[in-house]
Amino acid sequence: DQQVKQNSPSLSVQEGRISILNCDYTNSMFDYFLWYKKYPAEGPTFLISISSIKDKNEDGRFTVFLNKSAKHLSLHIVPSQPGDSAVYFCAASEGFRGGSQGNLIFGKGTKLSVKP
Amino acid sequence: DAGVTQSPTHLIKTRGQQVTLRCSPKSGHDTVSWYQQALGQGPQFIFQYYEEEERQRGNFPDRFSGHQFPNYSSELNVNALLLGDSALYLCASSLLTGGAGEKLFFGSGTQLSVL
Repeated sequence: DQQVKQNSPSLSVQEGRISILNCDYTNSMFDYFLWYKKYPAEGPTFLISISSIKDKNEDGRFTVFLNKSAKHLSLHIVPSQPGDSAVYFCAASEGFRGGSQGNLIFGKGTKLSVKP
Repeated sequence: DAGVTQSPTHLIKTRGQQVTLRCSPKSGHDTVSWYQQALGQGPQFIFQYYEEEERQRGNFPDRFSGHQFPNYSSELNVNALLLGDSALYLCASSLLTGGAGEKLFFGSGTQLSVL
């Protein structure tokens, strides 16, 4: 029973265009969401996060949107660059309320390819 | 400032053997979490150590055990290895008092193959 789902295993985007990666969750107790990026032979690297009290968080080219009623979040990358090509993982936790810091529930990831 | 370091990077074992993986957290961090990432899957939480004690545990059997040392480094031990234990094992560190939103810093992982 997957609590965090990334239904698109892969996404291909042209350089300069927008990349939109989607994530759905089922556990209504999740109150903190994160995106991690992973290059081959490296560990995941934190990208951006959002708490459940917000619906948008922006950091440079990266924006995360949270729709609590739909239990859906998305990561927007604008403009996309070839260096953004990596696997992107969506993760969730009950960190703020449940004190479960460190216990992240990850999706299976979406492989983003940005073509020059 | 060294990040999270894990050793070894690769390991090959046979069924039934035991394995120990090691992790040194990022400087200034006091909490270590271990994750298992099977091929094509996202990382799955195994357990977390703080103040040399297991603080949380995911849905993993008792064959998986760990330890944290006074210098905050940690070991993951897996006994009676099964073929299904073949995976990338990731260590992540954080600062517990950094708050519930404190993000994790991951090492590059140990790739374990069980034959």
